[in-house]
Amino acid sequence: DAGITQSPRYKITETGRQVTLMCHQTWSHSYMFWYRQDLGHGLRLIYYSAAADITDKGEVPDGYVVSRSKTENFPLTLESATRSQTSVYFCASKESSLQETQYFGPGTRLLVL
Amino acid sequence: QKEVEQDPGPLSVPEGAIVSLNCTYSNSAFQYFMWYRQYSRKGPELLMYTYSSGNKEDGRFTAQVDKSSKYISLFIRDSQPSDSATYLCAMVPSNAGGTSYGKLTFGQGTILTVHP
Repeated sequence: DAGITQSPRYKITETGRQVTLMCHQTWSHSYMFWYRQDLGHGLRLIYYSAAADITDKGEVPDGYVVSRSKTENFPLTLESATRSQTSVYFCASKESSLQETQYFGPGTRLLVL
Repeated sequence: QKEVEQDPGPLSVPEGAIVSLNCTYSNSAFQYFMWYRQYSRKGPELLMYTYSSGNKEDGRFTAQVDKSSKYISLFIRDSQPSDSATYLCAMVPSNAGGTSYGKLTFGQGTILTVHP
């Protein structure tokens, strides 16, 4: 199906482990985003990308790494997971700088023990 | 102080009621204002989108923006049980060229339940 997908949908890991969350979109949208959603904070931007090989920090980038070698993929890596990174992670995309509508994926629920 | 403040509720109303959801913000650079709806265990989906001040209506939904007061609202008329969800306001500034980088700032979200 076309759209934006995330994998895995659920992940349990341990403190100190490296974890990679995957995001894939089939629209060839230029922009892609990673958010985390926590109670009391709404969604907060972690990283975003305006095009392949162009990424920049959002509001809460510490402890996360992103890459975008292909337009359709935007993986998010937690280099050494901490309990504070337990959250629901959403990937989103938008077509271009002229369009403001962001389309969100279904989310990945991450639990760090 | 957060840039965008939204009462998290929860808000519980009977079917058919008019619902008013609100957000205030502090950054005067915000130019694009949105409301997202998020069902339980799903990703947010865009409900309404407004540029600058004014009103916008779409069926049972009306979005209002008052930039002078830094206040936005979403009204839901004839609310239905299917409207039960979390409603998130979001906003983004405009760059000098009139477009934005899409870096949304969200409110905390209001949990709405419409009971039959």
